[in-house]
Amino acid sequence: AQSVTQLDSHVSVSEGTPVLLRCNYSSSYSPSLFWYVQHPNKGLQLLLKYTSAATLVKGINGFEAEFKKSETSFHLTKPSAHMSDAAEYFCVVSVTGGGYQKVTFGTGTKLQVIP
Amino acid sequence: DGGITQSPKYLFRKEGQNVTLSCEQNLNHDAMYWYRQDPGQGLRLIYYSQIVNDFQKGDIAEGYSVSREKKESFPLTVTSAQKNPTAFYLCASSSRQAYGYTFGSGTRLTVV
Repeated sequence: AQSVTQLDSHVSVSEGTPVLLRCNYSSSYSPSLFWYVQHPNKGLQLLLKYTSAATLVKGINGFEAEFKKSETSFHLTKPSAHMSDAAEYFCVVSVTGGGYQKVTFGTGTKLQVIP
Repeated sequence: DGGITQSPKYLFRKEGQNVTLSCEQNLNHDAMYWYRQDPGQGLRLIYYSQIVNDFQKGDIAEGYSVSREKKESFPLTVTSAQKNPTAFYLCASSSRQAYGYTFGSGTRLTVV
């Protein structure tokens, strides 16, 4: 069994300040972890992924996330928020077995960036 | 460029009508998925297909049907049995070799 919890449904930051979106997961097997971003009325775009290589993962648009097995966390960060970062972000856990993926989505965190 | 195309972008349905949402991919991915997205509920899996001519129910399959006659195509029909179909529908695909999904841009269905 696997699950993912996004600890905040809404996060508000000022432009130019750091962003922290929190994600905790549980999995019986070694998981792959992802962050996706969704702008209004659009599909989801992959920001970054962890697949058992380096624990600090760098993604697009200056985002990065650190896999912490001891804390079962995969928090998303960015040093300085930009107005274009305002969107909804989804943390996803995936376990692969038999050649196929079992994927579980978090409920999303809406990021508001204040000018 | 490879990707997933969903059409139409917006769809309006009258009560009691069936409607079909299109999803086509040219990524040569084996697996395809349909998700429903409602505000505050994240993504919920409707149906998925791992190979042609085979598909399985997800968490909320009631009132929906799918087919997978071609690798590239995975249409979703929202039937009149679906009591609350107004939502944003997302199609995705994945391969065995790569991690993660590729998503389409979605179809917003509204019952009028």
